[in-house]
Amino acid sequence: QKEVEQNSGPLSVPEGAIASLNCTYSDRGSQSFFWYRQYSGKSPELIMSIYSNGDKEDGRFTAQLNKASQYVSLLIRDSQPSDSATYLCASHSGAGSYQLTFGKGTKLSVIP
Amino acid sequence: SAVISQKPSRDICQRGTSLTIQCQVDSQVTMMFWYRQQPGQSLTLIATANQGSEATYESGFVIDKFPISRPNLTFSTLTVSNMSPEDSSIYLCSVVLGDRDTDTQYFGPGTRLTVL
Repeated sequence: QKEVEQNSGPLSVPEGAIASLNCTYSDRGSQSFFWYRQYSGKSPELIMSIYSNGDKEDGRFTAQLNKASQYVSLLIRDSQPSDSATYLCASHSGAGSYQLTFGKGTKLSVIP
Repeated sequence: SAVISQKPSRDICQRGTSLTIQCQVDSQVTMMFWYRQQPGQSLTLIATANQGSEATYESGFVIDKFPISRPNLTFSTLTVSNMSPEDSSIYLCSVVLGDRDTDTQYFGPGTRLTVL
């Protein structure tokens, strides 16, 4: 059974610090990985996608993928109170399969 | 990304009734999905809505309980039938955009359902 694991948190960081969110996955066939941000009462919003080993940066966000270790992370630099949300890690196996497997999410609180 | 809308945004329903949720996309999309997010939980895939054919349901979900229609490439409906309080959830549709190697799922705003 395909599983995506995340620490549920809450993860608390002070404003301006780096928030580090981690995710592991069980399916070695997984090819694509996504980080979604979900504010309370809202739908998930895509932040980052990553498909290759290494780092991918977009503004204050950096996604890291290590397929050998089956590990995905999201770093948020200069964290802001507006970053406080639940972050969902998701993967799919590609090869024509678009079905996402989601982790349970990590709740992040950025303390002013 | 695409503009995805859902109706209704929320509803409170009585046990034993049914609710149909609509999902409208502003562009033609091939892949469309329906998810459920129970309180405090992550997203669970209900089914893939296939245009012009029967939906493909995930384990634990059946057509009699969650009938789905997909009459064209921009619209789908999910019906929650014979509702019970356990059906109280947020229901989300999503669409896939992009090519085979860089596809990404985008979510609608969700329908918050409360069953009394």
